[in-house]
Amino acid sequence: GDSVTQMEGPVTLSEEAFLTINCTYTATGYPSLFWYVQYPGEGLQLLLKATKADDKGSNKGFEATYRKETTSFHLEKGSVQVSDSAVYFCALSYANAGGTSYGKLTFGQGTILTVHP
Amino acid sequence: DADVTQTPRNRITKTGKRIMLECSQTKGHDRMYWYRQDPGLGLQLIYYSFDVKDINKGEISDGYSVSRQAQAKFSLSLESAIPNQTALYFCATSGTETGEQYFGPGTRLTVT
Repeated sequence: GDSVTQMEGPVTLSEEAFLTINCTYTATGYPSLFWYVQYPGEGLQLLLKATKADDKGSNKGFEATYRKETTSFHLEKGSVQVSDSAVYFCALSYANAGGTSYGKLTFGQGTILTVHP
Repeated sequence: DADVTQTPRNRITKTGKRIMLECSQTKGHDRMYWYRQDPGLGLQLIYYSFDVKDINKGEISDGYSVSRQAQAKFSLSLESAIPNQTALYFCATSGTETGEQYFGPGTRLTVT
């Protein structure tokens, strides 16, 4: 079956440091890939997504590139802020040829990020 | 107002009790989901519904049941709560095209 594996956390960084959170996946087809973020006390919200190989998703200074050859979707940010402290989830989902999503998301285990001033 | 709301936000209950968690959405989506979050395990899908008459089991449906009362409402029930059902529960909705899901704020359930 499909699965998503994220780097072990927690990750602790100083403000303005470079961030990488690794995500690799195992899939039987060609899924869409997502990064979700969960701020303390809140539900998950979509951070960025990519729907096909070599696509780059970006939002709020975060980026991730869909690499089919390495089955990876690593999250990066050049300069983190204290406000980026959260739990980050990598996930995948499928759509049919017509673009209709199958709906179900498969999540990685989450990576806790703490950024200190 | 929030697009996806969950009630209650926190609940403490005793082993053997029946409990219902409720979810409402104003996004007009047909698809709704219930997830459970445990530390270090990410989110696991309990049940999902693609319309009012379509209910499907997820990865961990044992011990849970659901009801889709309307397009906007999807409830999760624990018929006889047990301590290992202590977790954070999330409801989510989605449209049909992008796969993006919109999450509620969660319900923290403690079973003693």
